Amino acid sequence: SQTIHQWPATLVQPVGSPLSLECTVEGTSNPNLYWYRQAAGRGLQLLFYSVGIGQISSEVPQNLSASRPQDRQFILSSKKLLLSDSGFYLCAWELGGGYTDTQYFGPGTRLTVL
Amino acid sequence: AQKITQTQPGMFVQEKEAVTLDCTYDTSDQSYGLFWYKQPSSGEMIFLIYQGSYDEQNATEGRYSLNFQKARKSANLVISASQLGDSAMYFCAMRELMIKAAGNKLTFGGGTRVLVKP
Repeated sequence: SQTIHQWPATLVQPVGSPLSLECTVEGTSNPNLYWYRQAAGRGLQLLFYSVGIGQISSEVPQNLSASRPQDRQFILSSKKLLLSDSGFYLCAWELGGGYTDTQYFGPGTRLTVL
Repeated sequence: AQKITQTQPGMFVQEKEAVTLDCTYDTSDQSYGLFWYKQPSSGEMIFLIYQGSYDEQNATEGRYSLNFQKARKSANLVISASQLGDSAMYFCAMRELMIKAAGNKLTFGGGTRVLVKP
């Protein structure tokens, strides 16, 4: 069966510091991968998605970036964090990518920027 | 324009009773999928149920059922026999048929918080 991992689970970082969040998927090959952000009490906002190694599409221009160095690894980064980057970051995977396909989410990383 | 609207920010439901969570959507596509996710306090988004735009029957998964009214563009979630563990945020989401080859966006509503009372 497929599983998705995210780490760290929680993170407190000062403004201006770098960021690296990691997401890995097990038990499947060539998944589509997604990064979402959720502000407190709100719905999810799509940040990046990837359909293959090295292929990244950005939905929201900001100081965040994403990379996919391996088939089942997706990384979210920032060179300098802003206060507005605080939130709950969720990684998701799927097979196919059609409108009938389900996305499955990881446990998330709660980021607080002080 | 908002694509997914959940008008109930919060609801109380008595244990063992049924609850209906409202979801309306907006799309000009004929092909789309509707999803419901549960988010407990731990934060993980748990997939509950799916309904395709061409599905003629309402989807059911255990105690979850989806009341799909295509003409009204609504996809309400019904939870029967509520349990204390059902207390969580519930999100309705939609995927439309995308012409772009890369990726397919899942658009979420603002969510409904459900609290089950013993």
